[in-house]
Amino acid sequence: AQSVAQPEDQVNVAEGNPLTVKCTYSVSGNPYLFWYVQYPNRGLQFLLKYITGDNLVKGSYGFEAEFNKSQTSFHLKKPSALVSDSALYFCAVRDGGTASKLTFGTGTRLQVTL
Amino acid sequence: GAVVSQHPSRVICKSGTSVKIECRSLDFQATTMFWYRQFPKKSLMLMATSNEGSKATYEQGVEKDKFLINHASLTLSTLTVTSAHPEDSSFYICSAAGTGGFKPQHFGDGTRLSIL
Repeated sequence: AQSVAQPEDQVNVAEGNPLTVKCTYSVSGNPYLFWYVQYPNRGLQFLLKYITGDNLVKGSYGFEAEFNKSQTSFHLKKPSALVSDSALYFCAVRDGGTASKLTFGTGTRLQVTL
Repeated sequence: GAVVSQHPSRVICKSGTSVKIECRSLDFQATTMFWYRQFPKKSLMLMATSNEGSKATYEQGVEKDKFLINHASLTLSTLTVTSAHPEDSSFYICSAAGTGGFKPQHFGDGTRLSIL
């Protein structure tokens, strides 16, 4: 069975500093990985995905993620955090079948302060 | 592009009422839609996979007679919480994925259901 782990419940960073939100995965085949962001009382917004190709994936709002097969990780990064980036971030892995079913991590709350 | 509309955004109703939530893909066709439930400060729990023109596939532990799903067209899926009780109060979110390739799921804004 596939699974995703987000080891940090919360990440605190000062505005302007780089941020990293960690994610590790476990799948039996090729990993299809996603990052989503959730603002209060809203659904999830797609940030980026890794299917194949370059290990560094660029996404929306200046976010990027680095796929590391040997460490089975897919950490989300941003060079310079903004207060408006404060939200709940979910890493997800997709089932390899055609149903595109996602398994989500437990989420990491990012708090960016001035 | 890839907009998913979920309605209503908030429902407050009495115990025993049945509540219908709609999920529409506005600018793409979705053969598959998903219904999730999210508890406060928790991750999303997949309830069921809704397939256009066929029966939904429910996750283990989800009562299919309690949570009725209908996916009548390529752009609309509905979730009906039948005879809702306070323990059904939650944030329900739908998502839809376009056909072909590894397209990401796009999510509605969720429905906050409060049963008194």
